[in-house]
Amino acid sequence: AQSVTQLGSHVSVSEGALVLLRCNYSSSVPPYLFWYVQYPNQGLQLLLKYTTGATLVKGINGFEAEFKKSETSFHLTKPSAHMSDAAEYFCAVNNAGGTSYGKLTFGQGTILTVHP
Amino acid sequence: DAGVTQSPTHLIKTRGQQVTLRCSPKSGHDTVSWYQQALGQGPQFIFQYYEEEERQRGNFPDRFSGHQFPNYSSELNVNALLLGDSALYLCASSLSWTGSTEAFFGQGTRLTVV
Repeated sequence: AQSVTQLGSHVSVSEGALVLLRCNYSSSVPPYLFWYVQYPNQGLQLLLKYTTGATLVKGINGFEAEFKKSETSFHLTKPSAHMSDAAEYFCAVNNAGGTSYGKLTFGQGTILTVHP
Repeated sequence: DAGVTQSPTHLIKTRGQQVTLRCSPKSGHDTVSWYQQALGQGPQFIFQYYEEEERQRGNFPDRFSGHQFPNYSSELNVNALLLGDSALYLCASSLSWTGSTEAFFGQGTRLTVV
């Protein structure tokens, strides 16, 4: 079975400060990992994904994440927060094949608040 | 490209009723997945359709059923609605999902059961 844990349901930062959203996963096979963002009353938008290869992945809007197999983590970072980054962020895992084929398992989400 | 479109955007139903939600995938996509997102929770996988067949199913009762049409559009049906079925229902489309392929999500249908 696969699972995702996002540490911290709410994160608050000042504009210009570092953003760090934590995600740990559990997977019995090499995982594919994703970060999605959800703005109020909207669907999910993909920020970035890790499948294979380089463990530091860059996404849209200046976000990046690093896959650390030894720590089973995929934390999302952005060097300088912008007011427009305020939203809910979801980490998700999809096993590469196997019985979880095609299924995304999401974490509980982290609401990011950005203060002026 | 219109992306993934879902209808209706909002819906209010009474307990015990039946509801049908609709999804048109992104152009060129052949796989449709449905998710339920309760308030304050992450999306939960309901099922996935490919080539008009249910390919995988999550931990949802048989009251939840679906269909995929030859044009790849899809419907989600929920029978005997319960208050706990109130949620945002998200449709995601992808191309012959292999796990690494990006899933594009629609805006969702907000279902309220009263």
